[in-house]
Amino acid sequence: RKEVEQDPGPFNVPEGATVAFNCTYSNSASQSFFWYRQDCRKEPKLLMSVYSSGNEDGRFTAQLNRASQYISLLIRDSKLSDSATYLCVVNLNYGQNFVFGPGTRLSVLP
Amino acid sequence: GAGVSQSPSNKVTEKGKDVELRCDPISGHTALYWYRQSLGQGLEFLIYFQGNSAPDKSGLPSDRFSAERTGGSVSTLTIQRTQQEDSAVYLCASSARGSQPQHFGDGTRLSIL
Repeated sequence: RKEVEQDPGPFNVPEGATVAFNCTYSNSASQSFFWYRQDCRKEPKLLMSVYSSGNEDGRFTAQLNRASQYISLLIRDSKLSDSATYLCVVNLNYGQNFVFGPGTRLSVLP
Repeated sequence: GAGVSQSPSNKVTEKGKDVELRCDPISGHTALYWYRQSLGQGLEFLIYFQGNSAPDKSGLPSDRFSAERTGGSVSTLTIQRTQQEDSAVYLCASSARGSQPQHFGDGTRLSIL
């Protein structure tokens, strides 16, 4: 089993739709969690950290379920500019430290 | 700027040549990472430096790859006797400490002819 797994995608949604991405991780010792977005031929950029109590940043909501080892990202009222690959990232705080999921590609269509 | 800086942005070289890629992390960041990403693929971990500790080299694909970090700041990734399969974007990231999120540079696009 891969250390971090994500919905395979791609997700094609119309503007204004709500879309949710799921991520599971295998190492129960994982310390912290993040969502990154990566635009085509660009570097990954931090979207938001994921806190135990869940957190929201504008149209983006992240949830963490440590018992199920599951992370989610919800995007409301999606915009064309949200089109990107979304990467789930888990911090182990040892070894290579950060493990990146394979990413889920989102295309928001006009 | 205050971000992670990588050079060169692009590098084209012939098979068999050596290349050296440079990363200048955000000032004060103790953790530094190298990844590579082939077109349409995910990030592949290469090496991780944390302060003065021995680096985690577990991701280096062969002994042709090496990296060093001098003075706890700038890092260089060296690829000897390059092969065509080494063609990829090489990304460097740094973080304030191990548990803090990473910030990436723009990457070096390496093409081996």
